Amino acid sequence: DQQVKQNSPSLSVQEGRISILNCDYTNSMFDYFLWYKKYPAEGPTFLISISSIKDKNEDGRFTVFLNKSAKHLSLHIVPSQPGDSAVYFCAASGNAGGTSYGKLTFGQGTILTVHP
Amino acid sequence: DSGVTQTPKHLITATGQRVTLRCSPRSGDLSVYWYQQSLDQGLQFLIQYYNGEERAKGNILERFSAQQFPDLHSELNLSSLELGDSALYFCASSVAPADGKETQYFGPGTRLLVL
Repeated sequence: DQQVKQNSPSLSVQEGRISILNCDYTNSMFDYFLWYKKYPAEGPTFLISISSIKDKNEDGRFTVFLNKSAKHLSLHIVPSQPGDSAVYFCAASGNAGGTSYGKLTFGQGTILTVHP
Repeated sequence: DSGVTQTPKHLITATGQRVTLRCSPRSGDLSVYWYQQSLDQGLQFLIQYYNGEERAKGNILERFSAQQFPDLHSELNLSSLELGDSALYFCASSVAPADGKETQYFGPGTRLLVL
C-alpha cells in the first residue's frame, strides 16, 4: 500500500526556469510533510517541511505548497540550478494508524535534471 | 554534513553471516531511526529508538534487531543474511519535539552487499 506517491519518476528543466515536483498521499492522518534531496551514494538531505496547519512554506529558492483537500503537495524550485540535479523524495509523518508519530513514509522519488 | 555518522560505509559479506551497523546521532538528538533502501522498495522504515527505548517498529525482519545505548549511539544487527538483504541502510536522528513534528536528519548510509 503506497501511502505516499510521486508519480513522475523524472523531470527535466532548463537552468533558470521553475522546477515543480509533485507528491500525493492517501492517509489523512499525515500532518507533517518533508522534502529531501538525495545524491547517489549519500544520505537524504533535508530541504524544507510543512505542517498541515499551513498551506505554504518558503525557504529561499524552495517553496512547498500543501493542498489538504486534494491530499497533494508540491515543491517549487525557482530559479533551478544545475546543482539542484538530484533525486527528490517527499515524506510524510503523523499519527497514522497508531504507529510512531515520527516514522517517515517516503515516496519513490523523482529524478530532477537541470540542464545548463 | 548532517552531523549523523554511520560506520562502516561499505560492507561485503556472505549469505548466512551476521553484521553490525553503527550510528551516532547528532549532538542533542534523542531519537534514532533506521531505514532500508533497496532498488525495488525505496526508503522503508525499520525501527525507531528514543532515549534507549524502542518506540516503533516498521517492516523489520525477525532476523534484524537494534538497540540504542546510554550514549545514544545505535546499532543495527542483521543476522542469517540473505542475498535480498543487500541494500543501503540509513540512520536518521531527530530532537523529538513534543508536537511530534520531527525533522529527521540522515547519515551517509552503509552499503551492504551480501554475496
